[in-house]
Amino acid sequence: AQSVSQHNHHVILSEAASLELGCNYSYGGTVNLFWYVQYPGQHLQLLLKYFSGDPLVKGIKGFEAEFIKSKFSFNLRKPSVQWSDTAEYFCAVNEGADGLTFGKGTHLIIQP
Amino acid sequence: DADVTQTPRNRITKTGKRIMLECSQTKGHDRMYWYRQDPGLGLRLIYYSFDVKDINKGEISDGYSVSRQAQAKFSLSLESAIPNQTALYFCATSRDRGYGYTFGSGTRLTVV
Repeated sequence: AQSVSQHNHHVILSEAASLELGCNYSYGGTVNLFWYVQYPGQHLQLLLKYFSGDPLVKGIKGFEAEFIKSKFSFNLRKPSVQWSDTAEYFCAVNEGADGLTFGKGTHLIIQP
Repeated sequence: DADVTQTPRNRITKTGKRIMLECSQTKGHDRMYWYRQDPGLGLRLIYYSFDVKDINKGEISDGYSVSRQAQAKFSLSLESAIPNQTALYFCATSRDRGYGYTFGSGTRLTVV
């Protein structure tokens, strides 16, 4: 069974700092990769996804992620975070017919 | 109206009671999913359905059952609720494997 690892469970940054959240998955075949964001008290929303093609994927709100197949990684980045980026971030993988497998999440706090 | 509607939003129930969580979607998608979210554990797949006649168990289906009453409706039941089923439950729908999910707002269930 596939698994998804998010290395940072809690991250605290100051506004305008750069962000990189790590995500690694275990499956070696063809995968679809996703990042979701959950703002406090809300449901999950799709930030970006990788299906095929350019491994550098741009999403909403200035986020981007890079798929590195050789490293089984799909790290999320943002050059300059804002206070409103405070949320929980989930990496997810879909390698077969089943539903998505999610990582355990990274709780991001942005200090003004 | 929301694309994915879950009812109830919050529910407190007693150990041993039967409870049903309902989900309906207006996206016209065939695929529907039930996940539970626990702090520090991310989202885990309970059941999924690719059409009305196709129901599949996910990672943690024990103690749960589902019913796909129509393309738009997918209900989750706890036959005899227990306290460790206290969690936030999300319903989701997707167009196909390579597409992201649209999530409902969640049902916060507390079993006392």
